[in-house]
Amino acid sequence: GAGVSQSPSNKVTEKGKDVELRCDPISGHTALYWYRQSLGQGLEFLIYFQGNSAPDKSGLPSDRFSAERTGGSVSTLTIQRTQQEDSAVYLCASSAPQGFRSGEAFFGQGTRLTVV
Amino acid sequence: AQSVTQLGSHVSVSEGALVLLRCNYSSSVPPYLFWYVQYPNQGLQLLLKYTSAATLVKGINGFEAEFKKSETSFHLTKPSAHMSDAAEYFCAVSRGSSGTYKYIFGTGTRLKVLA
Repeated sequence: GAGVSQSPSNKVTEKGKDVELRCDPISGHTALYWYRQSLGQGLEFLIYFQGNSAPDKSGLPSDRFSAERTGGSVSTLTIQRTQQEDSAVYLCASSAPQGFRSGEAFFGQGTRLTVV
Repeated sequence: AQSVTQLGSHVSVSEGALVLLRCNYSSSVPPYLFWYVQYPNQGLQLLLKYTSAATLVKGINGFEAEFKKSETSFHLTKPSAHMSDAAEYFCAVSRGSSGTYKYIFGTGTRLKVLA
């Protein structure tokens, strides 16, 4: 596609429910990143994929958070038993093989998650 | 471990004045450094990047940044601010010692441009 696509753009969920956030990277981009942006907190790294494997998932805040990537393309971030502190904007980014080492990643518009 | 510090969460400048947004980094290996801009309700857009070539890097919209190893800094500048520059700016470092290339972001600086 033309850019990184994330869906939904907005999600309101009740505390305790599970949510899935989707990221469609730019076609051909092998690296994919998830970040969380909370008000006044900057961007917090969650996980990154190289192909379908996740060499670094050190940023996942708890075992309620998980992510997978299939076919080296689409990724899903799942949050189980959501809590109010999970409310944030979740950003996805991808980069091409050559861009991976030079660090040029392209970001999606994000999914704004609100837990009520 | 790598880290980034952005001094000043909010910066205000007059239209036409110099823009200076400060970024200091910490890295045990030669870093790659980036500035991203985020306009309201939008994703992040790359302004410029340093990847060990020229230390003075020019980016889009008239912005530039200079890598100073001795000061561990990568400050962002623009000679003359425009109203359209009002946004949030993030400095980031990547190139971890383990060979990973995840970005570590600063907490951001919100730029306000006064008419």
